[in-house]
Amino acid sequence: DIQMSQSPSALSASVGDRVIITCRAGHSIGSSLNWYQQKAGKAPKLLIYGASSLQTGVPSRFSGSGSGTDFTLTINSLQPEDFATYYCQQGYNSPYTFGQGTKLEIK
Amino acid sequence: EVQLVESGGRLVQPGGSLRLSCAASGFAYSGYSMHWVRQAPGKGLEWISYISSSSSTIYYADSVKGRFTISRDNAKNSLYLQMNSLRAEDTAVYYCVRDDFWDGYIWFDPWGQGTLVTVSS
Repeated sequence: DIQMSQSPSALSASVGDRVIITCRAGHSIGSSLNWYQQKAGKAPKLLIYGASSLQTGVPSRFSGSGSGTDFTLTINSLQPEDFATYYCQQGYNSPYTFGQGTKLEIK
Repeated sequence: EVQLVESGGRLVQPGGSLRLSCAASGFAYSGYSMHWVRQAPGKGLEWISYISSSSSTIYYADSVKGRFTISRDNAKNSLYLQMNSLRAEDTAVYYCVRDDFWDGYIWFDPWGQGTLVTVSS
């Protein structure tokens, strides 16, 4: 199984800040890396697929990069609605493992 | 509008069984693979099962292998998860998710709203 680890586990930031969340795969997954946003009590929502492709309708302040084993999710100019938990996931092979999540909180 | 609606979650005793359903609409269901993903209270996301569009390929997480069975009915645009020998650690919100793909990459979109399964005596 491919282990996925995210850092940090929690992050405090202010509206307008730029934040970076990292995700590391246990072995190379090429660009098969997805990012999801989950707000409290809601289902996850796809933000980024294929490491860097922005899902339709997702604001351009979200961006993803990386390949192989190291990936990042960057959120520029944080908005109030961005405070949520973010998960990375590998789509390389089964089992399609997720990172443990990064909770983004308001400072 | 693409929509996935889960049902069937409830309180069940340890060792019991439950069948979850997911009704799909707004897209050509028979052409897509599907997944179940769960989330224990206050915890992260755990992928548990995959089924291909024709049901020819099925995968399970080790945590549910031998106890859970995924299936689908393309004529009814429905996905199912038969859950047997339930344990307290199976308590979670269960999400039905569509498998989308392009150029060799796969991702999960959209997600249903989830259905809560509670295993407790």
